[in-house]
Amino acid sequence: DGGITQSPKYLFRKEGQNVTLSCEQNLNHDAMYWYRQDPGQGLRLIYYSQIVNDFQKGDIAEGYSVSREKKESFPLTVTSAQKNPTAFYLCATTGQGDEQFFGPGTRLTVL
Amino acid sequence: GNSVTQMEGPVTLSEEAFLTINCTYTATGYPSLFWYVQYPGEGLQLLLKATKADDKGSNKGFEATYRKETTSFHLEKGSVQVSDSAVYFCALSGANGFQKLVFGTGTRLLVSP
Repeated sequence: DGGITQSPKYLFRKEGQNVTLSCEQNLNHDAMYWYRQDPGQGLRLIYYSQIVNDFQKGDIAEGYSVSREKKESFPLTVTSAQKNPTAFYLCATTGQGDEQFFGPGTRLTVL
Repeated sequence: GNSVTQMEGPVTLSEEAFLTINCTYTATGYPSLFWYVQYPGEGLQLLLKATKADDKGSNKGFEATYRKETTSFHLEKGSVQVSDSAVYFCALSGANGFQKLVFGTGTRLLVSP
């Protein structure tokens, strides 16, 4: 079944911890994206990658890091430098067209 | 830069009522326009799209027409159902050959029986 998987669905982080959110796709899409969603603020772009081994900062990259070692995978690390990480995180991909396909999301909560 | 403005919610309707959610945009060039829907606790799903002026996107009874003269892409449905309760996002793609989307803030729709 083709699609995008994100794990875990829920994640809890203690102050000062780094955590990594997983995003995997089997759609053979080149471009992948990470968004953060906060209530009433829509989606904000954190990082994106157009091709393996290359990625670019989005609008709110501070406190986050990514890697793109494989076409199928685009993990996001939320570092301790991110002071307000509690949010819903969405991964997306695009193929040849201009529409984006979204994963089910990971809800991160700081304890 | 490019931007999208949506009407604030929540929009509260009774079942079978007519729905309009307004969306206007600012963009250079000729972007594609999208409506996405998000059900509680889930990711976004593409509802419909339009790629050029005067195109009408439609899906599941929802429609939106790309109006370049008014820079609008309003979402409409003739008769809403309880199952349409969700958050709706208007978005546009850049016209620079890369599919980076700009989203509106979302409009929550609540439909009561």
